[in-house]
Amino acid sequence: GAVVSQHPSRVICKSGTSVKIECRSLDFQATTMFWYRQFPKQSLMLMATSNEGSKATYEQGVEKDKFLINHASLTLSTLTVTSAHPEDSSFYICSAFGGGSETQYFGPGTRLLVL
Amino acid sequence: KQEVTQIPAALSVPEGENLVLNCSFTDSAIYNLQWFRQDPGKGLTSLLLIQSSQREQTSGRLNASLDKSSGRSTLYIAASQPGDSATYLCAVGDQGAQKLVFGQGTRLTINP
Repeated sequence: GAVVSQHPSRVICKSGTSVKIECRSLDFQATTMFWYRQFPKQSLMLMATSNEGSKATYEQGVEKDKFLINHASLTLSTLTVTSAHPEDSSFYICSAFGGGSETQYFGPGTRLLVL
Repeated sequence: KQEVTQIPAALSVPEGENLVLNCSFTDSAIYNLQWFRQDPGKGLTSLLLIQSSQREQTSGRLNASLDKSSGRSTLYIAASQPGDSATYLCAVGDQGAQKLVFGQGTRLTINP
């Protein structure tokens, strides 16, 4: 089956630093990748949709200058949390859509803790 | 704007029982509906995908139904096992399934 990986799985950083999270589709080409955010005991909230080679589409209320998304190839999308603050601490999950499937395949998630 | 609600928020049952998890959505114009499982601190595992033209899907001990007109779906788990303990998320696919709207999830605990 289709596999999506995320790196790192866990990151702790100081307030004010930037953190980059990678999302890769390992065995298929992802025409579209999605980034979600999940707070403890809450559901997934879509942050943005990224298509290879074009600018990401952000959901209402998500700061595009805060959460930079780059979808440079059909197998890689990156999310950079710029100038991270404690309130950015969350579980970030990516998903990938493509390979002729009608479903999104989810990565294992990245837990970000900003001190 | 599509809204997805899951009831109950948490459920604890003894091993061996059959159980039903509920999901409701406000806009019936959906592309598909999907049930996921999420273990603590982990990503999502897709359990069942129901297209808008279908009424149910089955996989092993799991059966999911879809009633678009009433905006409801149920996930039936037969003969529950401790390994079924997890959070179950319902998600509605809009816009060709390229947008998923998730419910809050049901946290299920199966007691040995």
